[in-house]
Amino acid sequence: EVQLVESGGGLVKPGESLRLSCATSGFTFSNLWLSWVRQAPGKGLEWIGRIKTKAAGETTDYAAPVKGRFTISRDDSKNTVYLQMNSLKTEDTALYYCTIDANDYYYVGYWGQGTLVTVSS
Amino acid sequence: EIVLTQSPGTLSLSPGERATLSCRASQSLTSSYLAWYQQKPGQAPRLLIFGASIRATGIPDRFSGSGSRTDFTLTISRLEPEDFAMYYCQQYGTSPPMYTFGQGTKLEIK
Repeated sequence: EVQLVESGGGLVKPGESLRLSCATSGFTFSNLWLSWVRQAPGKGLEWIGRIKTKAAGETTDYAAPVKGRFTISRDDSKNTVYLQMNSLKTEDTALYYCTIDANDYYYVGYWGQGTLVTVSS
Repeated sequence: EIVLTQSPGTLSLSPGERATLSCRASQSLTSSYLAWYQQKPGQAPRLLIFGASIRATGIPDRFSGSGSRTDFTLTISRLEPEDFAMYYCQQYGTSPPMYTFGQGTKLEIK
């Protein structure tokens, strides 16, 4: 069974940092392309970034609103992907989903249940 | 950057009726890279369609996708009570590499 379990969300102040983790199972983790997608309260879905496999150089891509502030990394030995979020802004408040991407048709095949990040003073 | 515009914003229909949801792109897309998702309140999205017209595993055949270039459609042939939800289209662009979602269509019971 495929599982993605996010953790690390919480309440932080503007300008602070937070690191999210996502533990996966049910797949060979080292073969996975993984993304983070967020959803602000009552709003739509926003892709924020992706990391490819080690074989693909662990290449990362980011959406413009988070580029330079957020970093995605992976630890294949722990089947875990991370999202390091720095210089957080109130507009980063959202439910953050970890996802497994298909690297043929480029869609999001599997989603975690999300972890909530609230940025507020 | 490609923008996806979904219409209508809200669609009010009754069970048994046919639903037609539109996703229009600001530039021509690679059809292989167009997907549709369903999201119910309090749940993560679920993949319905990828490659514009390929149903994901376990998706009932009342769901179908079509379209090309800038105009794509998700059709639900006969609405079941469990189909009332939010629907999002998504595309993948290569320059720069990124996923983009439409703003969503809310399918509600009339």
